[in-house]
Amino acid sequence: DTEVTQTPKHLVMGMTNKKSLKCEQHMGHRAMYWYKQKAKKPPELMFVYSYEKLSINESVPSRFSPECPNSSLLNLHLHALQPEDSALYLCASSQQTGRNSKGGEQFFGPGTRLTVL
Amino acid sequence: AQSVTQPDIHITVSEGASLELRCNYSYGATPYLFWYVQSPGQGLQLLLKYFSGDTLVQGIKGFEAEFKRSQSSFNLRKPSVHWSDAAEYFCAVVGADGNKLVFGAGTILRVKS
Repeated sequence: DTEVTQTPKHLVMGMTNKKSLKCEQHMGHRAMYWYKQKAKKPPELMFVYSYEKLSINESVPSRFSPECPNSSLLNLHLHALQPEDSALYLCASSQQTGRNSKGGEQFFGPGTRLTVL
Repeated sequence: AQSVTQPDIHITVSEGASLELRCNYSYGATPYLFWYVQSPGQGLQLLLKYFSGDTLVQGIKGFEAEFKRSQSSFNLRKPSVHWSDAAEYFCAVVGADGNKLVFGAGTILRVKS
């Protein structure tokens, strides 16, 4: 199985709502990533988990809260978002992080299209 | 810091014509380079990668790329474009710590029949 799955595919939420995005992979990868992608822009890294521990937080606002319950699952909890947070949220995984571990060979999910009203 | 430049924002080619998408990188050591493709509203799919060895790498869907250290380039090529190749293409390099993919701005490919 070489697939990264993400749910839901689309999400519309108000600024006071709490919601979660889910990501799952069964490739035995030990690194997982959250990216945010605005229209006509490349993906921007938000968080990196390595061996289920948060290793990178790219100064993301606290209204985004990542969680890695186990090596196959990655969640992104959303609370009190702003309309400018509307974007495509992509999850990815790789064997490991680190240049010697081919950290750049990342497998991406299809994304969750988030709209904040 | 590492950076990637894709000088062409849009490219239009006729179906059946050849394609070359340009990518230039800035990185002090040997780079790990990638090309990803993204169809509208979809995730990214890895087309090909370069870590070391042969500088001409073959990827999926008939794509290839050539690493030229002297020109700091990693251009993507395809000899005959199909309408289904219309998408956005991103060149990327792994950062020094191996944790981050640094993407170029992307090139949107349009294929005309």
